[in-house]
Formats: sequence, structure tokens, C-alpha cells
Amino acid sequence: EAQVTQNPRYLITVTGKKLTVTCSQNMNHEYMSWYRQDPGLGLRQIYYSMNVEVTDKGDVPEGYKVSRKEKRNFPLILESPSPNQTSLYFCASRSADTDTQYFGPGTRLTVL
Amino acid sequence: GEDVEQSLFLSVREGDSSVINCTYTDSSSTYLYWYKQEPGAGLQLLTYIFSNMDMKQDQRLTVLLNKKDKHLSLRIADTQTGDSAIYFCAERGYSSASKIIFGSGTRLSIRP
Repeated sequence: EAQVTQNPRYLITVTGKKLTVTCSQNMNHEYMSWYRQDPGLGLRQIYYSMNVEVTDKGDVPEGYKVSRKEKRNFPLILESPSPNQTSLYFCASRSADTDTQYFGPGTRLTVL
Repeated sequence: GEDVEQSLFLSVREGDSSVINCTYTDSSSTYLYWYKQEPGAGLQLLTYIFSNMDMKQDQRLTVLLNKKDKHLSLRIADTQTGDSAIYFCAERGYSSASKIIFGSGTRLSIRP
């Protein structure tokens, strides 16, 4: 089954404690993205990757890092989380030659 | 910069038609999308339209595009309780590498 998986689905942490949210897709997609969803703001892109070892900043990259060492994985790293990073995070992937973007189920992060 | 705007809420009676509106600012937008987000889930692509089209119909869904006014709408005929969700309008430019810009989402609620 074609899918994008994210882990964990829910996470409560404290300010400053490094965390990683994993994202994996099984469709051999070139493009992968991370978004955060906040009430009234829709989805805002954090980082995206057009292929292995190619990553670029989206609209709200501050406080986040990503890596793309393998095509299927695109982890989101928060080196020192802060309360303003409390949000719902979505990973997404799509093929370079189609417009269908597949979204993961989301990770709800709370930073205390 | 590019912007996509939608109203936040819409309430319709079951069996009526729902019309969700969206405006965008980027005149170079080439692909315009409608995504559906059900509670607790990620976004699912419902339909999309190219900028050289003015209408697309797919079963109960009709998308209308007014390129001159940069206005996109999604009409859902015979709205059912299962249509309750948040609907996101999104756009991107011609290049397959272009960023997808999302609106803030319209929450559609169905009343009996």
C-alpha cells in the first residue's frame, strides 16, 4: 500500500530537549516536504527536498533541520524545541512528474 | 509574495450544495488544487485544475476557475455528512519543483 508514515503521532516534550520526527515513504518519490498546521494559518512549508542530499528552506524554517540521506526518509529535527513550535506537523511526498501529493497522518507536538 | 485566501467556516444543510471559495494572488499559478482533511487525518487531494481550464467536473465535485479574478471555487453537490471536513485550496507555478502554497482551510459543517 502506497503510504507516508510519520513517527511519533503524538509527542509532549519540554523546552530545549532535542527531538526527531521521522517520515518515510514507500513510493520512490523524489519530492518530500514538511509542513506545520496552525489554526487560521493553514499549512506552512518548513523544509522541502527535491532528491537525496538536496534540501531547501520553506517559509518557516527557523528552529528546524532536515536531512535526506536516503530517498525514502526525510526526518525533521528540532535541536532545541520551544513552545512556539507546538503544532501539528505533516510530512508529504510526491513524484516529480505528477501532481498528487501524499500526506502522512500527522504528528501532534506539544512543547512545554 | 504569493498568498491564498479562504473563508474559515461554511455551514450547509444536508442535501444542499456547498460552495467553497478561494482567491490567490500569484498570476503565474499553473496548478490549483483542492485538498480535504478529515478529523485526525492528513490531507487528501480531491481534485486539481490547470490554469488553462475554466471548469472541471468529477462526480459530485465541480471546480470553477476565473483566472482573470484569480478566483477558484469548489462546489459539492448533494452535500452529505461524510463531506464534513476542512477543505484547503492550494496553488503552484509551472515548474514541477515549484512550492505549493496552501490557504488557511475552510471548515465545512453539515446540519441536518
